[in-house]
This record gives sequence, structure tokens and C-alpha cells, in this order.
Amino acid sequence: GAGVSQSPSNKVTEKGKDVELRCDPISGHTALYWYRQSLGQGLEFLIYFQGNSAPDKSGLPSDRFSAERTGGSVSTLTIQRTQQEDSAVYLCASSLARVAGELFFGEGSRLTVL
Amino acid sequence: QKEVEQDPGPLSVPEGAIVSLNCTYSNSAFQYFMWYRQYSRKGPELLMYTYSSGNKEDGRFTAQVDKSSKYISLFIRDSQPSDSATYLCALSGGSYIPTFGRGTSLIVHP
Repeated sequence: GAGVSQSPSNKVTEKGKDVELRCDPISGHTALYWYRQSLGQGLEFLIYFQGNSAPDKSGLPSDRFSAERTGGSVSTLTIQRTQQEDSAVYLCASSLARVAGELFFGEGSRLTVL
Repeated sequence: QKEVEQDPGPLSVPEGAIVSLNCTYSNSAFQYFMWYRQYSRKGPELLMYTYSSGNKEDGRFTAQVDKSSKYISLFIRDSQPSDSATYLCALSGGSYIPTFGRGTSLIVHP
């Protein structure tokens, strides 16, 4: 596809359940980012993948959050034992690593934890 | 103190007005300065990208960076209702991981 694709676009789950969010980046983009956007808040960095390097996980808020990127392309963000404070829009972005800061975002996955 | 400060607004202006949006920052290591526009229920899209101090113009948009004051601005001339959106500043240094401001909600009314 031409842009970053995220699925599901909306997810409603019960507290304590696990969720998986998927991101399909722009073809050829070696860098992939996950951010979280809570209501009225800015973008909170979660994790960064660059090529085959070890990911930068410094933004993950707890050990309930994890992410992987398979084959340098598709990424999955997993949240275990969801809590109500996990409710937010999870945004994925990709970029050409040689141009710092030019990120191309998907439309996000809106997570609601009841 | 947050690394990047941005007034969330909302900022409401009449059509045709000149809009000024601003961010301040504390980390002098930031070298790259971006402005993203986010429409409701959409992902942010890059609007302007600058590297150095000074001005950069693109159509009705002008980005301004003052590294000495750690202050960046986005000006929108002849604002249109279609400019109504949230504008987020983003800054990055050598780590290639941008730090975003909270975003300013802009409303341009006809």
C-alpha cells in the first residue's frame, strides 16, 4: 500500500484481556515507531525499530507492553492484562532512517478498555 | 519541566487571519524541528521540517526557529476553515526519535 496501515482501527476489550495491534509500514522504510496518544495529550513515545538493530524500548510504560517486528516489516504491539489507563490511540509510524524526524503515520488503533 | 512545551489552546480565529503557533524547549541537543498537522481521528502528517535557525516558507506556512531562545513558531497566513486541526511541534536530535509537544487545537471559523 501507499501508506502506513494499522489494524484494528478500533478495539474494545475488557480489563485483564490481552490485545494485539498491527502495523504495516511503508515499503522500504527501515525505521518503525510506536507512539501512544491519550485524550488531549501529545504523542508519547513507546518503542523504535531500526533495521536489524536491537529496538529502543525506553518508552514502554510497563512490562505488560511488548512489540516485535518480523522480517524488518510488519510490527505487532502487544498489551497484556489490559488496564483502563491503557485506553488511548496507538499510532504507528515509519520513516527512512537517513532523514531524522520525517515520520509517516498510520491512522491509529483506538483502544478502549472497559 | 517537560522537554517540549506547547499551549493546547484551543485557538479560535476568523477566516483570513494570520495564525501564530509556538513551542518552547529545554534540550539544546535538538537539531531537527518539525510541525505536524493532525485532523480529527487521523494520524499526524508532516507539514514543515527545518534543520537550522531562521525561517522556512512553504506557501501559506512559515516555520521559524530561534535556537538561542529555544523557541519555534509556525505561522499560517490567510487561514482557511480547512486549516482547522491540531498542530504538533516535534523536535529531535541524534537519536532520530522525535519528541512531540501536546499539540495546539486551531479552529478557523468562516
